[in-house]
Amino acid sequence: DIQMTQSPSSLSASVGDRVDITCRASQSISRSLNWYQQKPGKAPKLLIYAASSLQSGVPSRFSGSGSGTEFTLTITSLQPEDFGIYYCQHTYMTPSTFGQGTKLEIK
Amino acid sequence: EVELVESGGGLVQPGGSLRLSCAASGFTFSRYWMHWVRQVPGKGLVWVSRINDDGSSTRYADSVKGRFSISRDNAKNTVYMEMNRLRVEDTAVYYCVRDMDTSLVGDSWGQGTLVTVSS
Repeated sequence: DIQMTQSPSSLSASVGDRVDITCRASQSISRSLNWYQQKPGKAPKLLIYAASSLQSGVPSRFSGSGSGTEFTLTITSLQPEDFGIYYCQHTYMTPSTFGQGTKLEIK
Repeated sequence: EVELVESGGGLVQPGGSLRLSCAASGFTFSRYWMHWVRQVPGKGLVWVSRINDDGSSTRYADSVKGRFSISRDNAKNTVYMEMNRLRVEDTAVYYCVRDMDTSLVGDSWGQGTLVTVSS
């Protein structure tokens, strides 16, 4: 199975900051990489698919980049409602696997 | 509006069985692949299984292969997960997930149902 590794595991940032979360795959996955946000007690929500496509309804401050084995989720101008855990997921093949998550706290 | 509502979770003893259901609405259910993804409370997400649009093709994670069975009833807009020979390590919240376009991307998720395997 393809292993997905996120960094950092947690971070704290202030409103208005730019935040970058990195996801690395154990082998090339082309651009088959998605990002989800999960808030406490809630289901995950799709933010970005195919590495850089913004899911409908997701604010434009969220963006994704990368290909191959290294990917980045960027949040420009962090908002209070952006707290939560962010997961990357590859969909290059079955089984799809997720990163371990990055917990984002707002200072 | 897309809605996925899971049910059927609960407490079961090791070695027992449980059947999860996921009722879908707000979209043409028969056109979409569906998945189950689980999450141990406080831990990460793990893909469990998927079924194609007409139910003719299924896939499973190695950890549940031979014990879990996914199926669907397109007339009832419902996907199921039959869980047998349950283990303590199957304890998790189970999410029903709609596949965006056979790409394995989950664009809509249910609220989840908790399965607890314990004696």
